[in-house]
Amino acid sequence: QKEVEQDPGPLSVPEGAIVSLNCTYSNSAFQYFMWYRQYSRKGPELLMYTYSSGNKEDGRFTAQVDKSSKYISLFIRDSQPSDSATYLCAMSAISGAGSYQLTFGKGTKLSVIP
Amino acid sequence: DAGVIQSPRHEVTEMGQEVTLRCKPISGHNSLFWYRQTMMRGLELLIYFNNNVPIDDSGMPEDRFSAKMPNASFSTLKIQPSEPRDSAVYFCASTRGQGNQPQHFGDGTRLSIL
Repeated sequence: QKEVEQDPGPLSVPEGAIVSLNCTYSNSAFQYFMWYRQYSRKGPELLMYTYSSGNKEDGRFTAQVDKSSKYISLFIRDSQPSDSATYLCAMSAISGAGSYQLTFGKGTKLSVIP
Repeated sequence: DAGVIQSPRHEVTEMGQEVTLRCKPISGHNSLFWYRQTMMRGLELLIYFNNNVPIDDSGMPEDRFSAKMPNASFSTLKIQPSEPRDSAVYFCASTRGQGNQPQHFGDGTRLSIL
């Protein structure tokens, strides 16, 4: 089993829909949880960063972490064509070298159709 | 503010040639990461520097890969000799602290080895 599992999609929704993106993980040592958005031919850019279980909201985006179930989600409300991108979940834990390292999901490709 | 700057953006070369990828992290960031992204394996960490010192290079695939960080504002990733299976997008990222803070990515170098 991979450390981080993410449905690769692709996911296609109409403009205005609510989008739900999810990741599951197996390593209970993960402490920090992030969502990155990656447009075609660009680098990943940080969307959301959370530490504890619960919800965190930023505009149309809500990140949810459930450590007991080892499950994280990203919700996008009122989706826009500009939200069309690949969304990567990422998690970090202290490595054997004593530093934090990010482990990424493979990404879910989202298309929002006007 | 300038983000992480990578060069070149694209590199096409023949098998066996030496390839050098360059990265300038965000000023004030003391941690630097090199990643490789492929469709099959997603984003994989190759090596992590903290305060210019390599902390964890366990992700470097083999001895053909080497990385240096001679100062706080510059890092290189070198492949010698290059092979077709090295074709991928290589990203550099930087952050403050030990890596538990969100990482900021450059736009990557798209490498094709013929």
